[in-house]
Amino acid sequence: DAGVTQSPTHLIKTRGQQVTLRCSPKSGHDTVSWYQQALGQGPQFIFQYYEEEERQRGNFPDRFSGHQFPNYSSELNVNALLLGDSALYLCASSLKILRDYNEQFFGPGTRLTVL
Amino acid sequence: DQQVKQNSPSLSVQEGRISILNCDYTNSMFDYFLWYKKYPAEGPTFLISISSIKDKNEDGRFTVFLNKSAKHLSLHIVPSQPGDSAVYFCAASGKNGNNRLAFGKGNQVVVIP
Repeated sequence: DAGVTQSPTHLIKTRGQQVTLRCSPKSGHDTVSWYQQALGQGPQFIFQYYEEEERQRGNFPDRFSGHQFPNYSSELNVNALLLGDSALYLCASSLKILRDYNEQFFGPGTRLTVL
Repeated sequence: DQQVKQNSPSLSVQEGRISILNCDYTNSMFDYFLWYKKYPAEGPTFLISISSIKDKNEDGRFTVFLNKSAKHLSLHIVPSQPGDSAVYFCAASGKNGNNRLAFGKGNQVVVIP
């Protein structure tokens, strides 16, 4: 089992550009969440996808958008990049079961640098 | 607004001694609390969790204590080992499989051999 995989590992963009990050969930998982971890901070929830729809969203502007494909993989898109978007972007997958908590498994992240 | 707070950003402890990490939260709607461990260049990995209906959960060398009235939890690692050197994040989640985690800023733990 490959676990959660993310691509690319590192990415450098300039202000105003657009970026797409990709995530493949752990085998058997159907829910993908995205988090942004700025330097020295904890991960911040961006949004969560289940059944190809955005189900929850954190306090992030509309420049941040996503998509989930039928195979449960997901993309995070960020438009009009700002310097402050520089961060580690983490993807987490889980299986949607309505109980107290569904354990999330994190990928290694994509390090985005905006110049 | 930081709903989960971890003070004392770093901790150094001798191998074999106890490591104690503290975490405070402000949102009384949180129902499930977790600790994650993170090594450089890796994603966070789940360590231990506790439901709000419990006050203690133990898993090997790791014990989490929850004081719901004080909105405080702590992680005890006994005995500490060099491989425990990592960043530890406290996180909290709502009810019913919500799965939206709110994280603290993390604590850097260094275990000295």
